[in-house]
Amino acid sequence: SQQGEEDPQALSIQEGENATMNCSYKTSINNLQWYRQNSGRGLVHLILIRSNEREKHSGRLRVTLDTSKKSSSLLITASRAADTASYFCATGEYGNKLVFGAGTILRVKS
Amino acid sequence: NAGVTQTPKFRVLKTGQSMTLLCAQDMNHEYMYWYRQDPGMGLRLIHYSVGEGTTAKGEVPDGYNVSRLKKQNFLLGLESAAPSQTSVYFCASSYPRGGNNQPQHFGDGTRLSIL
Repeated sequence: SQQGEEDPQALSIQEGENATMNCSYKTSINNLQWYRQNSGRGLVHLILIRSNEREKHSGRLRVTLDTSKKSSSLLITASRAADTASYFCATGEYGNKLVFGAGTILRVKS
Repeated sequence: NAGVTQTPKFRVLKTGQSMTLLCAQDMNHEYMYWYRQDPGMGLRLIHYSVGEGTTAKGEVPDGYNVSRLKKQNFLLGLESAAPSQTSVYFCASSYPRGGNNQPQHFGDGTRLSIL
């Protein structure tokens, strides 16, 4: 069963604009992670935010976590054509497994 | 340092045939995972292993078997392939230091078609 659900399913923006993707989940989590997948490739880990953290930054990425609303957002600032990819949230439940959402397809037009 | 390597990259099988997918990691990771990715459904966990000689079922284990005889290798077997097993299969590994649910490192996948 999927834990995280991303919104929107697809997003198309111009280069230089910001892209925001949202993730909602259903149960208590240990942490929440975001991954990127380029076409035909495996997933690449972007950022991890723990359940006791509210915001985290990594370069042009900003992730927020609201455990009361069971939601997270990923903001990519000043997007580039190379950011075109699918983005997945994954929730780390109390154990050794991650549960992935269905992903957001981001297209950045140059 | 190759990371996670999956072989083969592509394969076409006939219904009823068997095959084994190989995953190898060179990062000395304890945990290894097998996922399948289908359109619009994200990744679903098939089986996983928390150490050499141990395996456990994930969300969709039926029709698959796994073995972890060596720490660096995790094998996924299809005993009698069915068209519903047409998918892209990903292997991942992670290191438990720092607690549970550490970031996972993925291979580039095996694209499997069953006719």
